[in-house]
Amino acid sequence: DAGITQSPRHKVTETGTPVTLRCHQTENHRYMYWYRQDPGHGLRLIHYSYGVKDTDKGEVSDGYSVSRSKTEDFLLTLESATSSQTSVYFCAIGNTDTQYFGPGTRLTVL
Amino acid sequence: GENVEQHPSTLSVQEGDSAVIKCTYSDSASNYFPWYKQELGKRPQLIIDIRSNVGEKKDQRIAVTLNKTAKHFSLHITETQPEDSAVYFCAARPLGNQFYFGTGTSLTVIP
Repeated sequence: DAGITQSPRHKVTETGTPVTLRCHQTENHRYMYWYRQDPGHGLRLIHYSYGVKDTDKGEVSDGYSVSRSKTEDFLLTLESATSSQTSVYFCAIGNTDTQYFGPGTRLTVL
Repeated sequence: GENVEQHPSTLSVQEGDSAVIKCTYSDSASNYFPWYKQELGKRPQLIIDIRSNVGEKKDQRIAVTLNKTAKHFSLHITETQPEDSAVYFCAARPLGNQFYFGTGTSLTVIP
């Protein structure tokens, strides 16, 4: 697997609390992505980054923000978690065409 | 934005038979089409991809075909084995670097 890690791998939190998920890469890839995976919906893009401090919204960005201050780190923040944000979150990295996925973070919002 | 539809959602085949999964896309600007395999509890893994200037690509028992006119592409797995059982996702990438995924096909290979 490509050098990509996610932390934490599992998290349980309560509605209304802030949550930050971290994606870290050692491959020096330009692009980084955050997806959520839910049954019946496949993988849906939340936000992506095409360089340090350069980010853009995906198709399901409401309620999420991101930051990329270093090439290797891409943070996803849920400012005030809701139960609808219970999901498995995958980070991915890539340079041109190919994407490589991280191991995922299972987030449960009670 | 791009819309990718994938069929069937579930597929069962006997070991040794072939499996075919089909995807359609809406944006004629899409130029790259990867396929991912995801085993239970694991991350999606790229298994094969095709670019818009190619009609077919093979890698051992796996092949992908692309019909740009009809805007559809398909994954073909021959001589299926139990270890092929997984969820398969297609994706399309229009201009830029956003990827749009299908909703997945759960393939079961029956020994």
